[in-house]
Amino acid sequence: GGIITQTPKFLIGQEGQKLTLKCQQNFNHDTMYWYRQDSGKGLRLIYYSITENDLQKGDLSEGYDASREKKSSFSLTVTSAQKNEMAVFLCASRYAEQFFGPGTRLTVL
Amino acid sequence: AQKVTQTQTSISVVEKTTVTMDCVYETRDSSYFLFWYKQTASGEIVFLIRQDSYKKENATVGHYSLNFQKPKSSIGLIITATQIEDSAVYFCAMREFYNQGKLIFGQGTKLSIKP
Repeated sequence: GGIITQTPKFLIGQEGQKLTLKCQQNFNHDTMYWYRQDSGKGLRLIYYSITENDLQKGDLSEGYDASREKKSSFSLTVTSAQKNEMAVFLCASRYAEQFFGPGTRLTVL
Repeated sequence: AQKVTQTQTSISVVEKTTVTMDCVYETRDSSYFLFWYKQTASGEIVFLIRQDSYKKENATVGHYSLNFQKPKSSIGLIITATQIEDSAVYFCAMREFYNQGKLIFGQGTKLSIKP
């Protein structure tokens, strides 16, 4: 078995601030993902990475950067937080089926 | 372009009955993989069941089964003998064979099981 950890669990930021979310997995999976989930909505793909140092844009990549410097970790940066933004950011990794982390809940004041 | 659509926003059924949740998808690939996931009230997302497009038999896992209708680009999830614990949001997802990285989700269907 394995686990995906996301840090921090809660993130409060100010408008215009650059914010970084981190994700670690010990499944030894090649592919990792970042999704955004707004309240009561589905999951929208922000970035994914099929191997170390690879980055692929999803449908919602504008306003975000990502980094995959190690196989086990995948970081997401909100380049300029938007006022009153609230969402949960979910990290996932996969071999066949995806496994999800517990999420980072972002609130922008 | 890849797209997954779940038109049912919410469903409510009585415990121990059977429920079907709909999902349709769009893809240009002839080979693809379809998935259903469950998100509980705590926010946890877990994998339930998978259908590979080249397989004609409908997948079954426990009390979950799929109704795969390839000509209609449809993959319905059937839950038999529903239990209160099945109350959750269910997401359909698709991954194309030639773009193995990208996994796209539908909007989700909220299932409520009443006693």
